[in-house]
Amino acid sequence: GAVVSQHPSRVICKSGTSVKIECRSLDFQATTMFWYRQFPKQSLMLMATSNEGSKATYEQGVEKDKFLINHASLTLSTLTVTSAHPEDSSFYICSAATPGRRVGNQPQHFGDGTRLSIL
Amino acid sequence: GQNIDQPTEMTATEGAIVQINCTYQTSGFNGLFWYQQHAGEAPTFLSYNVLDGLEEKGRFSSFLSRSKGYSYLLLKELQMKDSASYLCAVLNTGTASKLTFGTGTRLQVTL
Repeated sequence: GAVVSQHPSRVICKSGTSVKIECRSLDFQATTMFWYRQFPKQSLMLMATSNEGSKATYEQGVEKDKFLINHASLTLSTLTVTSAHPEDSSFYICSAATPGRRVGNQPQHFGDGTRLSIL
Repeated sequence: GQNIDQPTEMTATEGAIVQINCTYQTSGFNGLFWYQQHAGEAPTFLSYNVLDGLEEKGRFSSFLSRSKGYSYLLLKELQMKDSASYLCAVLNTGTASKLTFGTGTRLQVTL
């Protein structure tokens, strides 16, 4: 299998707070993890790609100092939204992959997502 | 860059058949994927096409024409629970599993 756990599922916090979201691959080693953001009624937008042991690659327009990504092990990546503001409220989804290895034809395996609400 | 386009919204009747189209422009094509996503949940994998033709899986089928940059997802015998967003996504060669998602289609199934 290829199970990905994302935590927390929902978080509500005050403006200015930093929020950390964890993404774990439970039964496989993920050399690559992806972080997406999704606004209501819109598609998934890739924010960044993280590879174990190296710096993340951010998509154009995504502030790397605002969205800190750490991928320190083959089973864990974290996204920290620093000094969050109401406009950062969104649904954040991670996915994990091992390039060259697919389970059930799937290139990525998704976590359940985190609903972030900044007051 | 890439353009992956889908209709924004569709409505269909329970028991009917609906076809959701996806057109794409990309270089180094290495497969097209369809996902279903219910509101507030993660995407669920439905199908994968890399060669031209039709892939059938139960009530769902997916078609690909690489020369036309075109795919569709066909849903038969629609059920109310099929109301969801449907996303097509393209995998490019040399991108280490990176997917580019289309704009997504919200399907509403009515009685």
